[in-house]
Amino acid sequence: DAGVIQSPRHEVTEMGQEVTLRCKPISGHDYLFWYRQTMMRGLELLIYFNNNVPIDDSGMPEDRFSAKMPNASFSTLKIQPSEPRDSAVYFCASSSLNRGLGEKLFFGSGTQLSVL
Amino acid sequence: GQSLEQPSEVTAVEGAIVQINCTYQTSGFYGLSWYQQHDGGAPTFLSYNALDGLEETGRFSSFLSRSDSYGYLLLQELQMKDSASYFCAVRSRGGKLIFGQGTELSVKP
Repeated sequence: DAGVIQSPRHEVTEMGQEVTLRCKPISGHDYLFWYRQTMMRGLELLIYFNNNVPIDDSGMPEDRFSAKMPNASFSTLKIQPSEPRDSAVYFCASSSLNRGLGEKLFFGSGTQLSVL
Repeated sequence: GQSLEQPSEVTAVEGAIVQINCTYQTSGFYGLSWYQQHDGGAPTFLSYNALDGLEETGRFSSFLSRSDSYGYLLLQELQMKDSASYFCAVRSRGGKLIFGQGTELSVKP
């Protein structure tokens, strides 16, 4: 397996611009998580999907944030419009309860987002 | 709601043993996990406890007491490469995994 693949690795944008982060989970995993990490707030769960269906989006900070999972191999996290306070590292992770790996999340390398 | 508490930082010397504690409050508790994260890297899974007791994986062990809502990660024979942040995490009903704020471990020579 190639692992969880995120793109881009780094994104620098200006306030007000739309940002789209992408994630390809490990093949066969049925859970996908989006986390945001900052020094102040640590690792925050934004949203997670099970079998492509959003289960809990209570961590999504505002309506400016949206996430989709159109199929089992792809997910996006979109911020529109972006603000400087959105600057953080965004991680995507996947896991599989069916494979007995429900407790083990596999993280992507993350996207370092800087909003100027 | 859910909350986890762990020390913000711990310092130890090479070859020593260090214990990182974690207390949690959650509804629908299913288990306690531990993750390691090096600077600039992604969190990686270390261990998981669903039942009370000690789980050992090489130099690392993890303990859980469900009645006390408490667990710890024990690192033995510390090495410089163990310098990293360590996170406890709880899984609740539906698969939701929430992380603590992390403990920064510094291993000194």
